[in-house]
Amino acid sequence: DTGVSQDPRHKITKRGQNVTFRCDPISEHNRLYWYRQTLGQGPEFLTYFQNEAQLEKSRLLSDRFSAERPKGSFSTLEIQRTEQGDSAMYLCASSGGLAGTNEQFFGPGTRLTVL
Amino acid sequence: GEDVEQSLFLSVREGDSSVINCTYTDSSSTYLYWYKQEPGAGLQLLTYIFSNMDMKQDQRLTVLLNKKDKHLSLRIADTQTGDSAIYFCAENPNDYKLSFGAGTTVTVRA
Repeated sequence: DTGVSQDPRHKITKRGQNVTFRCDPISEHNRLYWYRQTLGQGPEFLTYFQNEAQLEKSRLLSDRFSAERPKGSFSTLEIQRTEQGDSAMYLCASSGGLAGTNEQFFGPGTRLTVL
Repeated sequence: GEDVEQSLFLSVREGDSSVINCTYTDSSSTYLYWYKQEPGAGLQLLTYIFSNMDMKQDQRLTVLLNKKDKHLSLRIADTQTGDSAIYFCAENPNDYKLSFGAGTTVTVRA
């Protein structure tokens, strides 16, 4: 395991459909984060997990979005009834979670296009 | 993020030094970070600085921090074509969330 992986890398869907993305963090990391990045902007925080507990959610995370990390390892992010405004790059990151630098290591992202 | 501001573009000649500037707002950030993003890729952590330091050097990278003015800069010495990318400054206002600027697109010309 050399880094954070995300699947799929690209997803094209029609408005109104549901989509699910997966993130596999660095294996020894207990924290996992989801961010969203739109064109020309930096990533914006969506939510994070410490082990299997979801500890914080941004106001950006509407009720159409749900994230899980059932066993404290991989995570899924589901978007229901997608809208064109959901088109973005969805980035996952992980960190060791110990008191320290909070260095977050990012995956390659899933680019979502909603038609 | 609206709390972190960066200039949008920088053009530099190969071999020269690049300086990317950033201002942030949250004085409680314990660490400040620089990330690099190449086209179509995720973010790569380049370096970070602890808030009680004013300088950190790591090979070709030098980070300067002016905590009083909440100003952070990244200097890349001997800039190469492989340094062409978008560079993001990020603050860490709490234990978990990173707040990013909009990114500076660095173009290295021959």
